[in-house]
Amino acid sequence: AQKVTQAQTEISVVEKEDVTLDCVYETRDTTYYLFWYKQPPSGELVFLIRRNSFDEQNEISGRYSWNFQKSTSSFNFTITASQVVDSAVYFCALSRGSQGNLIFGKGTKLSVKP
Amino acid sequence: ETGVTQSPTHLIKTRGQQVTLRCSSQSGHNTVSWYQQALGQGPQFIFQYYREEENGRGNFPPRFSGLQFPNYSSELNVNALELDDSALYLCASSLGQGYTFGSGTRLTVV
Repeated sequence: AQKVTQAQTEISVVEKEDVTLDCVYETRDTTYYLFWYKQPPSGELVFLIRRNSFDEQNEISGRYSWNFQKSTSSFNFTITASQVVDSAVYFCALSRGSQGNLIFGKGTKLSVKP
Repeated sequence: ETGVTQSPTHLIKTRGQQVTLRCSSQSGHNTVSWYQQALGQGPQFIFQYYREEENGRGNFPPRFSGLQFPNYSSELNVNALELDDSALYLCASSLGQGYTFGSGTRLTVV
């Protein structure tokens, strides 16, 4: 069975702090994809990153970085120098293929205070 | 390039009624998926359509049904509404490189 666990329900930080959102996944597949989405109060899910199981290189995009470790089945997301606009619910998700359905974690609500 | 558009944005229905939610896919996207997101939870996969055929379904009863049209727009139909069907319903379209989500339809069943 496939499963995504985001153990942190809510995180509150002060602007400019760094914050890491944890994601642990379970799957028996050798080929799979991992995703992070951001959901602002407006409701739409905004795509942040997709990573396939064969690419363990960490990625950095501006203030965002992702740490993929197959040995611990984790795909953590770090925001450096957080800003108020980063406040949202963040979801980690897993799929079997590039077109497979997404299995989401329960999300982590991030509040960044000025 | 337009994104994914869902209508209506909000809807209130009475228990036992039927509802149809609509989704216009991003231009050229031939795959559409529907998700149900209860308050405080992650989205749950309902079903997926590829070129007008259902090609995947989550753990939802048959009263949840769908259609995809030749222009790749889609509908989600829910019959015999129950109070637990109250949720945000999200549509997502894809052309093989990840999904683009709409803003959802907030359904309240009273």
